Amino acid sequence: DQQVKQNSPSLSVQEGRISILNCDYTNSMFDYFLWYKKYPAEGPTFLISISSIKDKNEDGRFTVFLNKSAKHLSLHIVPSQPGDSAVYFCAASAQGQNFVFGPGTRLSVLP
Amino acid sequence: SAVISQKPSRDICQRGTSLTIQCQVDSQVTMMFWYRQQPGQSLTLIATANQGSEATYESGFVIDKFPISRPNLTFSTLTVSNMSPEDSSIYLCSVAQGSTNEKLFFGSGTQLSVL
Repeated sequence: DQQVKQNSPSLSVQEGRISILNCDYTNSMFDYFLWYKKYPAEGPTFLISISSIKDKNEDGRFTVFLNKSAKHLSLHIVPSQPGDSAVYFCAASAQGQNFVFGPGTRLSVLP
Repeated sequence: SAVISQKPSRDICQRGTSLTIQCQVDSQVTMMFWYRQQPGQSLTLIATANQGSEATYESGFVIDKFPISRPNLTFSTLTVSNMSPEDSSIYLCSVAQGSTNEKLFFGSGTQLSVL
């Protein structure tokens, strides 16, 4: 049973445009959500997070939106840059316990 | 965030041998975890490394195969025992930080290949 889903295995975006990565979850107990970026053969890098009491969090080019009723969150990257090309993982936790990761979306930003 | 140093960064090992991976954190942390990422897969939690007591293993992972030590609040080791090619993965140390340990940070990982 996949509690965190990223239904798009890959996404290609033109440099300078917006990248939108989506994530869905099933467990209503999740109260904190995180996005990570991962390059091959490296550890994941924390990007941005959001608490379930908020619906939006912004940090520079990165914005995360949370729709609790739909159990859906998305990461917006604007403008997209070639260096953003990586695998992006969505993760969720409940009470700071049991972090669950999605399968990842490979983003390719084309110059 | 804490600086997490993991070594070795990569290794190629023979079947049947064991490898110990070290994780050093530059500050004291309560929650420390070991994850695995198999090729093309997501991150899977192996165990929570508990300071001063036995690690808490997730379903599908056992202490005999993945013994873990956590002698203090800044250091942990994971051993991959009696390796087989199926153990070829990236192994990741991580720590939880934040006011309620709500954020997870990762080391650079250990790329393990078993021949």
